[in-house]
Amino acid sequence: AQSVTQPDIHITVSEGASLELRCNYSYGATPYLFWYVQSPGQGLQLLLKYFSGDTLVQGIKGFEAEFKRSQSSFNLRKPSVHWSDAAEYFCAVVTSSSSASKIIFGSGTRLSIRP
Amino acid sequence: GAGVSQSPRYKVAKRGQDVALRCDPISGHVSLFWYQQALGQGPEFLTYFQNEAQLDKSGLPSDRFFAERPEGSVSTLKIQRTQQEDSAVYLCASQLTQRDTQYFGPGTRLTVL
Repeated sequence: AQSVTQPDIHITVSEGASLELRCNYSYGATPYLFWYVQSPGQGLQLLLKYFSGDTLVQGIKGFEAEFKRSQSSFNLRKPSVHWSDAAEYFCAVVTSSSSASKIIFGSGTRLSIRP
Repeated sequence: GAGVSQSPRYKVAKRGQDVALRCDPISGHVSLFWYQQALGQGPEFLTYFQNEAQLDKSGLPSDRFFAERPEGSVSTLKIQRTQQEDSAVYLCASQLTQRDTQYFGPGTRLTVL
């Protein structure tokens, strides 16, 4: 069965420091992979997605992610975090069938920013 | 343009009450999804519509959960005889076509006392 693992429940980084959030997936075929961000009281916002092609994907707000098939990973990175990046981050994979593309989410990583 | 909207944003129900949660998708979006997000967890798939047809309801946790989208636009998720374990945020998402991004609404936070 398809699954997504985010091993870090909570991460705290200093403002201006670099960030890497880990994500591992289990999926037999070529996955469609996503990172979403959820701020308190807000809906899920798509940061970036990978369908095929270049394995380094650029997203909004200065985020990027790299698909590594050999490691079944899709880690999210940002070179310098801002206080406004504090939120919950979800890695996700789409299970594509002929009639649906339902998303399977990881359990999330909560990011806190130290002033 | 307008995004996905959901109402109410917050709902408190006494155990045993029925509730109805509404989702207004982005105009023209064919696909509509419902997800349930328990506290501290990622969202979990409940059900999926393509236009008015409910093509997948494999994620509905019990027969107390029922969803409809009669005219292929607005959708309602109904929970009968609510239980405390139903307390969660219910998210709706719409999608233009299968390969497109799913756009999420702000969710309805349901608390069952």
